[in-house]
Amino acid sequence: KQEVTQIPAALSVPEGENLVLNCSFTDSAIYNLQWFRQDPGKGLTSLLLIQSSQREQTSGRLNASLDKSSGRSTLYIAASQPGDSATYLCAVRPSDSWGKFQFGAGTQVVVTP
Amino acid sequence: EPEVTQTPSHQVTQMGQEVILRCVPISNHLYFYWYRQILGQKVEFLVSFYNNEISEKSEIFDDQFSVERPDGSNFTLKIRSTKLEDSAMYFCASSLAVNTEAFFGQGTRLTVV
Repeated sequence: KQEVTQIPAALSVPEGENLVLNCSFTDSAIYNLQWFRQDPGKGLTSLLLIQSSQREQTSGRLNASLDKSSGRSTLYIAASQPGDSATYLCAVRPSDSWGKFQFGAGTQVVVTP
Repeated sequence: EPEVTQTPSHQVTQMGQEVILRCVPISNHLYFYWYRQILGQKVEFLVSFYNNEISEKSEIFDDQFSVERPDGSNFTLKIRSTKLEDSAMYFCASSLAVNTEAFFGQGTRLTVV
C-alpha cells in the first residue's frame, strides 16, 4: 500500500529565504507526482506536475525534483515571500490506479516579513 | 483560465438527509474525481469516473454514495443518507488524461448536524 510522508510538518522562515519541502513515498510504481498549495479552508491549487520519467520540473520560483527509485521528491521555492504562506501537499498517482492520488499530510509554511 | 467549479461552497444538512454536491469540470477534460478532506486529516480518494462509468472507488464510497454525469458539463456526488462522519470538505477534480495535471475545485464544505 502506497504511503506518502511529508517532512517537516511545519516550517517557519524569514522572507527571502529559500524553502525546501520534502515528500517521500513507499512504492515507486507511479505515473507522476503533483505538488499542490492549500490555503486555510480553501481548495487545492496545482503547482507542478512531474512525470515518473522526469527528474525535474520548474515553474517560476518553483522547482520540483523527483528520484523515483528512492521514493523522494523535493519542492524548492526560491526567495520566499509572505504570500507563499500556505500548506503544501504532494500527491502521487499510482501506475496501477490512475485515479487514486495518494496525498501526504502536507507541510504548513509560514513566511515572516 | 479554465477552472473546476463547485457548488455550493458550504452546505449544512441534518443527519439522514440526502445531499447533492455539484461540480463543473474543465470543459475538455475526460477524467473526473471526487476526494474529501476531514478537518485536520489527509485528502482521501472517493471515486474516479471515466467514459460515463465509475473506474475505481474507495472503501469509503459505499452504497450511500453515488456519482452522475447528467449532461456534458456537470458531475455530481450524491450522499443518500448523511451521517455525522460525512462532515468534510469535498473536492471535485478533473484531468484531460490519466497522466496529465489534475485540477481541483475550491471544495464544498459539508456539515452534518
